[in-house]
Amino acid sequence: GAVVSQHPSRVICKSGTSVKIECRSLDFQATTMFWYRQFPKQSLMLMATSNEGSKATYEQGVEKDKFLINHASLTLSTLTVTSAHPEDSSFYICSARDSRGTPNNEQFFGPGTRLTVL
Amino acid sequence: GDSVTQMEGPVTLSEEAFLTINCTYTATGYPSLFWYVQYPGEGLQLLLKATKADDKGSNKGFEATYRKETTSFHLEKGSVQVSDSAVYFCALGNNRKLIWGLGTSLAVNP
Repeated sequence: GAVVSQHPSRVICKSGTSVKIECRSLDFQATTMFWYRQFPKQSLMLMATSNEGSKATYEQGVEKDKFLINHASLTLSTLTVTSAHPEDSSFYICSARDSRGTPNNEQFFGPGTRLTVL
Repeated sequence: GDSVTQMEGPVTLSEEAFLTINCTYTATGYPSLFWYVQYPGEGLQLLLKATKADDKGSNKGFEATYRKETTSFHLEKGSVQVSDSAVYFCALGNNRKLIWGLGTSLAVNP
């Protein structure tokens, strides 16, 4: 149980294009999903908290117009990197929290998406 | 604010050596504590967790005890294997968010 998938696993795009990354909870419903960015040899940086049916909450310093988040259903959240540039190249990871409740704040992680912007 | 401090790596050990990766935290309230592992080329996996003081989390031979008096959650394994080579992250769960340590890379040589 508690499987989270991400698609695509890898994407290479040209500078200036937009890229959409999907995060799905496969066997549970997730009112809340999280989007992280991981730089090489560094920790995870929380970018935003995605709430089903409402606007995402972005962390300080994260441009909401650059990283568009849509959480349209209880099993799907999408992150769109708009007008991507080489500095957006990174490993993007999503996680989800079971709507039924996780008393210890446990999150289940997707396998990540490696974005390379040329 | 809440924070997690994790010992810096990389850590290199020989097979069957004893492993300790230190993790200390600062937090308000009563956080949960986690260790996650990231194997090469794979996503994060929960390794073990503890939800209250004096709880011991354990999995795959790894253990960590939630020590409120020292605000620590050190990861230990008595005998590491080559397959344990990975990056280990200590994390704190509080106010519905996870706060992460920087990660410690472990390399185990045969």
